[in-house]
Amino acid sequence: EDQVTQSPEALRLQEGESSSLNCSYTVSGLRGLFWYRQDPGKGPEFLFTLYSAGEEKEKERLKATLTKKESFLHITAPKPEDSATYLCAVQARGGSEKLVFGKGTKLTVNP
Amino acid sequence: DGGITQSPKYLFRKEGQNVTLSCEQNLNHDAMYWYRQDPGQGLRLIYYSQIVNDFQKGDIAEGYSVSREKKESFPLTVTSAQKNPTAFYLCASTQRGLGAFFGQGTRLTVV
Repeated sequence: EDQVTQSPEALRLQEGESSSLNCSYTVSGLRGLFWYRQDPGKGPEFLFTLYSAGEEKEKERLKATLTKKESFLHITAPKPEDSATYLCAVQARGGSEKLVFGKGTKLTVNP
Repeated sequence: DGGITQSPKYLFRKEGQNVTLSCEQNLNHDAMYWYRQDPGQGLRLIYYSQIVNDFQKGDIAEGYSVSREKKESFPLTVTSAQKNPTAFYLCASTQRGLGAFFGQGTRLTVV
């Protein structure tokens, strides 16, 4: 069974304090790994797709990396507006289009 | 603008009543999904559909029903058999290998 585990569950940072969020996964052949940002009461907002080990994607202060067992979302010099819940999901190769999500990491950046 | 539209944003259900949540997309995506989100639980898959007139149960399908008569539409009915329906419901769509795009959600409350 495909599984996604995110850690930590919650993370508090001071503005400018860089850190990383972890997404560990087990899947029967990875088609894609996805990162999302979710603000309270809103739908998740798509951030990145990673397809193969060694791949990296960047967007402003965020950088996502992928290995065969896990993905990291690195946040460099975060600002209070980066506060949100970050979700990771995987999709397996094969016939199903099923997406499996982790429970998320709630990030709070204090000014 | 292309996107996914969920309606209504807020919905109140009386005990024993069936209610239907709407989800429409104009992204020409083949696959559509319904997720339920509870505090601390992450996103749990209710149903998904890879093609018109076909759908599969997710992890928590009991008490829910769906239809997929048109590519653009994937309504979710919460039946009276769902004993704990109060939650935030999210609809998403995706094309093969791409990240899923989400609507803004429907918050359902039992009164």
